[in-house]
Amino acid sequence: NAGVMQNPRHLVRRRGQEARLRCSPMKGHSHVYWYRQLPEEGLKFMVYLQKENIIDESGMPKERFSAEFPKEGPSILRIQQVVRGDSAAYFCASSPIGQASAKNIQYFGAGTRLSVL
Amino acid sequence: QKEVEQNSGPLSVPEGAIASLNCTYSDRVSQSFFWYRQYSGKSPELIMSIYSNGDKEDGRFTAQLNKASQYVSLLIRDSQPSDSATYLCAVSGGGADGLTFGKGTHLIIQP
Repeated sequence: NAGVMQNPRHLVRRRGQEARLRCSPMKGHSHVYWYRQLPEEGLKFMVYLQKENIIDESGMPKERFSAEFPKEGPSILRIQQVVRGDSAAYFCASSPIGQASAKNIQYFGAGTRLSVL
Repeated sequence: QKEVEQNSGPLSVPEGAIASLNCTYSDRVSQSFFWYRQYSGKSPELIMSIYSNGDKEDGRFTAQLNKASQYVSLLIRDSQPSDSATYLCAVSGGGADGLTFGKGTHLIIQP
């Protein structure tokens, strides 16, 4: 019973390049959340997706960041033209919400640590 | 703007003692409350969830919720060195929404 899978675990990009972070939810989960954790900061919610739909992107920066969760395949968080301030750990979580007893318990993947040079 | 406040610590507790971690939240309509443990460089791991006022016990862990005071706590009994980590308090509206996290309390269990 695989958990939330994220890849790559570590990603190094130069300023101006694109970063693509992937997340496969736990089996049976159809809800995906992305969070960012800056050094010495707490986890900040970015976006919540269901298959083929963005439900809440209130925490997503307006420019350069986008997310998708296609019908087939993993959820993708895309950061265009990365800057040094994008260096952080990006965590994906999934939940089985939709079941009456789920109570929105979110399970986290191992994260992708993005370093921008 | 939802806010979750935690004392950043470090909180130092002798091995075998009770560690008490506290959290306050600003949004009165919050319905679901969680404690996650995060070791340095690792992902958050769910420790406890609580949804109604009172205490909830699971092994050495007890979560306490007081909605009137907008206060959540986590007690760790018989603290072990392996409990040394950052403990994150998280709150949600109860539906399928994103969690609001505190910055975490760094707990150190001294052997």
